[in-house]
Amino acid sequence: EAGVVQSPRYKIIEKKQPVAFWCNPISGHNTLYWYRQNLGQGPELLIRYENEEAVDDSQLPKDRFSAERLKGVDSTLKIQPAELGDSAVYLCASSLRTSMETQYFGPGTRLLVL
Amino acid sequence: GESVGLHLPTLSVQEGDNSIINCAYSNSASDYFIWYKQESGKGPQFIIDIRSNMDKRQGQRVTVLLNKTVKHLSLQIAATQPGDSAVYFCAEILPDNQGGKLIFGQGTELSVKP
Repeated sequence: EAGVVQSPRYKIIEKKQPVAFWCNPISGHNTLYWYRQNLGQGPELLIRYENEEAVDDSQLPKDRFSAERLKGVDSTLKIQPAELGDSAVYLCASSLRTSMETQYFGPGTRLLVL
Repeated sequence: GESVGLHLPTLSVQEGDNSIINCAYSNSASDYFIWYKQESGKGPQFIIDIRSNMDKRQGQRVTVLLNKTVKHLSLQIAATQPGDSAVYFCAEILPDNQGGKLIFGQGTELSVKP
C-alpha cells in the first residue's frame, strides 16, 4: 500500500514569493492533516480536514496561508507571500476516519525562504 | 498550555544494549498515546501506540509503558541497532472535547554506537 505522498520534497524561494505544497493521502483515508515542523521540534498542526471540510484551522495563519481539499482526496497548502520565518518542513498526514486514530505521515516538503 | 515533553534531548547507547526513552505528559484527560520515529529527511513513522486502559504494550523489539498515576510514558527498545538511530517523539491525542489534536513532545535523539 502506498503511503502519504508529498511534493515537492524541497523548495527554495525568495521572501514575498508564493509557494504551494501538494499531498495525496493514503487511499481511503478520510482525514488529512497539514503540520509544520521547525528544526529540532515536533510537528505542530496547521489544519485538519475530514473529507473536504476543514474542521480545525485554528492554528493556520490565515493572512498568508490557505489550504484546500476540493474533492476530499488530495490537498494543497499555499503560502502567499512567504516570509523568512516560514522556513520549515511541511508535513502531511492522514488517518482512516477521525483524529482519534493513528496518523500516518508523508516525507514532508522542506521549505527554505531566503 | 498543556503539552507533552521529553526528559532528555539526546541518548547514546551501545549497539545491542536496551534503550529507554522517557516522556512526561500533562493532560490527564488524554487516553491515547503514540510513539513516532523520525529519521533524518523523513516524516515521523508510527512505532507503537497505547490506550489508557493498558499499562504496557509490546511490539517487535519495542515496548511502551504507561503510568497514568504520574503521567509518564516510556519507550523501550530491545537490542538496539544502528538502524534505530533517529529522533523519537511521544505524542498524545487530546480528547475530542478538547479538539482531538495530536500533540508532539520535543523529541529525543537516539544515537547507537557500533
